Amino acid sequence: EIVLTQSPATLSLSPGERATLSCRASQSVGSYLAWYQQKPGQAPRLLIYDASNRATGIPARFSGSGSGTDFTLTISSLEPEDFAVYYCQQCRNWLLTFGGGTKVEIK
Amino acid sequence: EVQLVQSGAEVKKPGESLKISCKGSGYSFTTYWIGWVRQMPGKGLEWMGIIYPSDSDTRYSPSFQGQVTISADKSISTAYLQWSSLKASDTAIYYCARTLDAGTFDYWGQGTLVTVSS
Repeated sequence: EIVLTQSPATLSLSPGERATLSCRASQSVGSYLAWYQQKPGQAPRLLIYDASNRATGIPARFSGSGSGTDFTLTISSLEPEDFAVYYCQQCRNWLLTFGGGTKVEIK
Repeated sequence: EVQLVQSGAEVKKPGESLKISCKGSGYSFTTYWIGWVRQMPGKGLEWMGIIYPSDSDTRYSPSFQGQVTISADKSISTAYLQWSSLKASDTAIYYCARTLDAGTFDYWGQGTLVTVSS
């Protein structure tokens, strides 16, 4: 099973600041990595797939990068609605796994 | 519009059985995998398994193999997750999600809260 480790666990930032979230895989997943956003009481929402492709309707301030074992989700300038929990997920094989999540909170 | 609509919240006792559902609409139900994801209270996301409704090909996470059964009825565009004997530790929100070929979940149901308590 591929283990995904997200860091930091919590990120305290102010609106307008840049957020950089990390996801590290225990073995190479190529570019088979997705990012999701989850707000309290809501289902997760797909943000990024195949490491760097924005899903339909996702604002350009969200970007993904990386390949192999190290990946980054960047939010260029935080909007109030961006404060949430973010999860990475690998789909290198059919033993799909999620990272533990990073909470982006208002400083 | 793609939609996945899940059945309502359930309260059950330990040892009871349960089957929850996920109805897809707005797309060809038989040409996408459907996955199930668990979220225990205050915790992260855990992949449970996936099913291809066209032929019911099913794959489970080792953590959930033998603990749950995933099925689908393509005639009514509905996928199911069932337990034969619930435990208190099954208390969680369960999400279904449409799964792209590479295993990415692009559309999600609203979630079904399952509470197991004596």
